[in-house]
Amino acid sequence: AQTVTQSQPEMSVQEAETVTLSCTYDTSESNYYLFWYKQPPSRQMILVIRQEAYKQQNATENRFSVNFQKAAKSFSLKISDSQLGDTAMYFCAFSNAGGTSYGKLTFGQGTILTVHP
Amino acid sequence: DTEVTQTPKHLVMGMTNKKSLKCEQHMGHRAMYWYKQKAKKPPELMFVYSYEKLSINESVPSRFSPECPNSSLLNLHLHALQPEDSALYLCASRRTAGDREPYEQYFGPGTRLTVT
Repeated sequence: AQTVTQSQPEMSVQEAETVTLSCTYDTSESNYYLFWYKQPPSRQMILVIRQEAYKQQNATENRFSVNFQKAAKSFSLKISDSQLGDTAMYFCAFSNAGGTSYGKLTFGQGTILTVHP
Repeated sequence: DTEVTQTPKHLVMGMTNKKSLKCEQHMGHRAMYWYKQKAKKPPELMFVYSYEKLSINESVPSRFSPECPNSSLLNLHLHALQPEDSALYLCASRRTAGDREPYEQYFGPGTRLTVT
């Protein structure tokens, strides 16, 4: 079974600064996907960024980038130029690539990020 | 259209009531999911439907009864719930294996359920 660990229950950052959220995972699979989802207070869960395990290049989406270290089973999220709207709970999630898993997501416990003005 | 809709947004029900939650997507996704989420916790998977067939049931009590009438619609029928079932119920959908990547799940806004 896969496990996902987010070791930072809460983090805070000043507006315009950079923050990194940590995530480690454990799996015996070689082909899988990793995701960061964002869930603002009382709002919808949305995808921030995804990474396919077979791709060596780290994914980037505007101010969001990941540091994917496959051998270390680490998948951290860097948020640059933090904005007040980035305040949310962030979940790291793992999904096997195989069809028999039906895309089941294994989530970490989440990190509450607060951006201060 | 990358939207998953859920109705109702809020639901208050007594322990003897029968109610249903509805989820709809028009992205052509053939995998749909129900999750239960407690405050400040990650979502917990309840059911997975793939091509309108129940593929995963995570040992959910029978007072929760899922239904997938067609490829766009997913229902969750509720009966004789307990106060501890109060939570946010999320629906999600995803492309299935064989489709082009990526494989992320798209989530609806959820139904906030309170059982009294």
